[in-house]
Amino acid sequence: QSALTQPASVSGSLGQSITISCTGTSSDVGDSNYVSWYQQHPGKAPKLMIYDVNKRPSGISSRFSGSKSGNTASLSISGLQAEDEADYYCCSYVNTGSWVFGGGTKLTVL
Amino acid sequence: EVQLVESGGGLVQPGGSLRLSCAASGFTFSNYWMHWVRQAPGKGLVWVSIINTDGSVTRYADSVKGRFAISRDNAKNTLYLQMDSVSAEDTALYYCARDTNRKKDYWGQGILVTVSS
Repeated sequence: QSALTQPASVSGSLGQSITISCTGTSSDVGDSNYVSWYQQHPGKAPKLMIYDVNKRPSGISSRFSGSKSGNTASLSISGLQAEDEADYYCCSYVNTGSWVFGGGTKLTVL
Repeated sequence: EVQLVESGGGLVQPGGSLRLSCAASGFTFSNYWMHWVRQAPGKGLVWVSIINTDGSVTRYADSVKGRFAISRDNAKNTLYLQMDSVSAEDTALYYCARDTNRKKDYWGQGILVTVSS
C-alpha cells in the first residue's frame, strides 16, 4: 500500500488561507468516507483535526475544514494563526481493511 | 480522562524481538478497536496494525506482515505489539491510538524502538 500523496510543504501569511491536498487511489480516498486529518507539532503526538472527510471533533476551530473530490481529499485552514504551524497528515481507510497515511505536509506560517 | 501509555521500547539487535505494551485508562477498553502507528525519526506517520474489540480480527501493513503480531488483553486494559525479526527499518517511535468509528481520536505519547547492533 503506497502512501497517499501530499505536498511536502505549504506556507501562508498570518490571517490568510491555505489548502493541503491528499491524493490517493480508487481503493482508498476515492472509495472511502473515512478520510481524516491529523496535526502534529514537534515532539508531540498527532491530534485529530478532521474526520469522515469533513467533520470536526469537538473543540476544533471552524477555521479547519475538509473536503473530497474523486481520489483527492483536501484540508483547508482559514485565518492562519501562528499556532497552526505544524505537520499535517491525511489518513484513509483502504477497501482491503487496512489504513494508509499521507507523507505529511509541513505548514509554515509567515 | 482517556489515557494511553506505551512501554516496552528500547534498543534491540537486528533479527531480535521486542514486545510493546499500551496501557489504556479512562474508557471502556474492550469496546474499542485499537491501532499501532509508527514514525521513523524525521519521517511521517505510517500505519502498522489494527485489532478489533475481542482480538478476533487483525490487519497489518505489508511491511510488517508475518513479523509483527497485535494482540490485546481486555481484562488488563492493555494492547500489545509483538515485534519479531526486526531490522533497522523498524526503528521508529511507536504510537498506540484508539479507533472510534473509523477515526483515531486518542493517541499515546509514543515509545521509541531502536534497532541497531
